[in-house]
Amino acid sequence: GDSVTQTEGLVTLTEGLPVMLNCTYQTIYSNPFLFWYVQHLNESPRLLLKSFTDNKRTEHQGFHATLHKSSSSFHLQKSSAQLSDSALYYCALSIDTNAYKVIFGKGTHLHVLP
Amino acid sequence: GALVYQYPRRTICKSGTSMRMECQAVGFQATSVAWYRQSPQKTFELIALSTVNSAIKYEQNFTQEKFPISHPNLSFSSMTVLNAYLEDRGLYLCGASMGQSNERLFFGHGTKLSVL
Repeated sequence: GDSVTQTEGLVTLTEGLPVMLNCTYQTIYSNPFLFWYVQHLNESPRLLLKSFTDNKRTEHQGFHATLHKSSSSFHLQKSSAQLSDSALYYCALSIDTNAYKVIFGKGTHLHVLP
Repeated sequence: GALVYQYPRRTICKSGTSMRMECQAVGFQATSVAWYRQSPQKTFELIALSTVNSAIKYEQNFTQEKFPISHPNLSFSSMTVLNAYLEDRGLYLCGASMGQSNERLFFGHGTKLSVL
């Protein structure tokens, strides 16, 4: 069935280092929409990035991701981590064009150290 | 801007009792509302997807008998957890959208359910 895989449960790195959070997906639908949501402590998830265009880089708030349909990937990257980036990051997949449905990955906890 | 208000934020109920949570969309038409549960240490599980003027679609392991949902108009949806037990603990989130798959979900703040 349709699924999203985030291989890292926890990523810990020092402020200023680059960030890369992995996301791959599986679906038979040929035109999926991919999203990254960020959830800070005691807050609800909010959209960080979204994309449906193959091989096009999407950027927001210093983060960027490129949807690669050939490898079914949508990795999240940032050139330099900040302390405020510490949060849970969820990769998500939308596959239903008639009624909106989103499937979430298990999430990656990013912990940025000073 | 578009907002989703979800209430209550927290609730505690006795085992075997029921509780109802509500979501109000402001600033946009919530054609679709998805209800999720985030159990402790787990990701978001989709409970059901509700689209106005269509049947509510429940995911595997979730039923209307346990989680009845109402979505009477483009701004309001509610879900009840009937006969709550320990395994029903968690954060329940509603996510609303205008109904197209390229639209973002606007989430409420969630309802944290504790069961005694």
